[in-house]
Amino acid sequence: EVHLVESGGGLVKPGEPLRLSCAASGFTFSRYTMNWVRQAPGKGLEWVSSITSSSSSKFYSDSVKGRFTISRDNAKNSLYLQMNSLRVEDTAVYYCARVSGEFRDYWGQGTLVTVSS
Amino acid sequence: SYVLTQPPSVSVAPGQTARITCGGNNIGSKSVHWYQQKPGQAPVLFVYDDNDRPSGIPERFSGSNSGNTATLTISRVEAGDEADYYCQVWDSNSDHVVFGGGTKLTVL
Repeated sequence: EVHLVESGGGLVKPGEPLRLSCAASGFTFSRYTMNWVRQAPGKGLEWVSSITSSSSSKFYSDSVKGRFTISRDNAKNSLYLQMNSLRVEDTAVYYCARVSGEFRDYWGQGTLVTVSS
Repeated sequence: SYVLTQPPSVSVAPGQTARITCGGNNIGSKSVHWYQQKPGQAPVLFVYDDNDRPSGIPERFSGSNSGNTATLTISRVEAGDEADYYCQVWDSNSDHVVFGGGTKLTVL
């Protein structure tokens, strides 16, 4: 059974960094593109970033490009999101999701990031 | 950038058919995917590649996609179908994943 478990969320001040992790199990992690999707309180889903299986390609939404860095460690079955220069508008639940084709077939339960002074 | 437009809300009586639309420029040329999200839960994939269902998703859920509109159709709506529904495509021009704004389905 596929499991994705996010961690690393919390309360940070504007401008501070935070690193999210996603532990994957139940499938061959190294074969799949993975991504991060976030959801601000009471708002819709917003794609944040994607990384291909071998880390050869990485993609970012315009709202986080230059501030966030996606990475993975296939040996540890883990996905990461390094978030720098955090803004109040980055406050959201961050989900990691497995990509199959052009869709997200499995999602974690999410980790809440709150950016507030 | 590519934009997907969904109605904020759709209401339907139990047993009736609900149709949730997702509008986008020439969306019929793209593959559309639909997710269901209930309060406090993660999204769940319900329809992929316009009209395919993952295992375990009822046949009452179906999709169509043509021209500038994709549609998620829910037949014989049940109280348990009440949720937010999001459409999603891949925009190859920008290499970006795009979600619609979401539609809240209310079962009267």
